[in-house]
Amino acid sequence: AQTVTQSQPEMSVQEAETVTLSCTYDTSENNYYLFWYKQPPSRQMILVIRQEAYKQQNATENRFSVNFQKAAKSFSLKISDSQLGDTAMYFCAFMKHGGATNKLIFGTGTLLAVQP
Amino acid sequence: DGGITQSPKYLFRKEGQNVTLSCEQNLNHDAMYWYRQDPGQGLRLIYYSQIVNDFQKGDIAEGYSVSREKKESFPLTVTSAQKNPTAFYLCASSLGRLNTEAFFGQGTRLTVV
Repeated sequence: AQTVTQSQPEMSVQEAETVTLSCTYDTSENNYYLFWYKQPPSRQMILVIRQEAYKQQNATENRFSVNFQKAAKSFSLKISDSQLGDTAMYFCAFMKHGGATNKLIFGTGTLLAVQP
Repeated sequence: DGGITQSPKYLFRKEGQNVTLSCEQNLNHDAMYWYRQDPGQGLRLIYYSQIVNDFQKGDIAEGYSVSREKKESFPLTVTSAQKNPTAFYLCASSLGRLNTEAFFGQGTRLTVV
């Protein structure tokens, strides 16, 4: 069975600074996807970034980038130039590639507060 | 606009009563999912459906039931057998097996009083 671990329940960062959220996972699969979802106070889940395990290049979406270390089973999210609107709960998630369904396995989340 | 609509946003239920949470999508997605969110536990999968008239249990299906009579709709019933139903419930959908992105509704907060 796959598990996802987020060891930082809460984090804080000053506006315009950079912050890194940690995520580790455990799986025996070789092909899979990893995701970071954002849940702001509205509680709407929003996809931030996606990484395919077969790709060595780290995914980037504007101010958001990941550091994917497949051998270490690590998948951290870096937020550059933090903005007040980045304040949210961030969830790391795993999905098996080619599985019977697109089931997501979530970590417990990291609550990020961006301070003005 | 295309999207997923969950209703109601807040729901109160007396102990011993069944209650049904609505989830509708107009994205023409084949797959739909129900997740439960509790503080400190992330999201856990309750039920999922890949096609109409078919659904499978997730990790915490006990005390819940679903139906998938239409592609657009995937209602979740929280039965009196669910021992701790107070939680935030999220519905999601995706195109299906070859498309990984899941889109979420805005959730329903269920409180047992």
